[in-house]
Amino acid sequence: DFVLTQTPLSLSVTPGQPASISCKSSQSLLHSDGKTYFFWYLQKPGQSPQVLIYEVSNRFSGVPDRFSGSGSGTDFTLKISRVEAEDVGVYYCMQTTQFPPTFGGGTKVEIK
Amino acid sequence: EVQLVESGGGLVQPGGSLRLSCAASGFTFSSYWMHWVRQAPGKGLVWVSRINSDGSSTNYADSVKGRFTISRDNAKNMVYLQMNSLRAEDTAVYYCGSPYTPHWGQGTLVTVSS
Repeated sequence: DFVLTQTPLSLSVTPGQPASISCKSSQSLLHSDGKTYFFWYLQKPGQSPQVLIYEVSNRFSGVPDRFSGSGSGTDFTLKISRVEAEDVGVYYCMQTTQFPPTFGGGTKVEIK
Repeated sequence: EVQLVESGGGLVQPGGSLRLSCAASGFTFSSYWMHWVRQAPGKGLVWVSRINSDGSSTNYADSVKGRFTISRDNAKNMVYLQMNSLRAEDTAVYYCGSPYTPHWGQGTLVTVSS
């Protein structure tokens, strides 16, 4: 079965410090149409998921520019340049290139 | 502003049925594929189903195939999830949305228990 593997499972970060989350897929996420249907979500405590990044590296309007996505093929990364208190929650990667659409297991980010 | 509002959840006995609804606004609904995902208590997000923009194509996770049916009404900006033959393991908060909308709905809780 197709798998998205997120690491680390959890992250404790000092405010103002950077953070990085990795997501590796068991198959390439490059679609035959040339796009890579890979997304990053954040689920803040007690809230529904919100999409931070679509198609690997595109931030939605309103998402702070301290969030950036990168990667290609099977390896993807979400970076937070300077973590703030409001960034706590669980981060999920997701892909819709391969069937079935799949989420990673999640990375819990907390503030030190 | 994008808004997605789910409804229709509740407590149902094993083998029972529920129909979830999702009302969309703030974006060109008829242009978007829509998804349902679920989250069991204390667990991660799990994809359930999706429907293409005009409703002509649907897909399901193996765990719900043959029991759940997704549909949409573009005139009403609504997407639905008909859930039949419910099992205890279907207990979860169900969210509707698209990876191309910044926010998903607040979710609706489905509890399958006798």
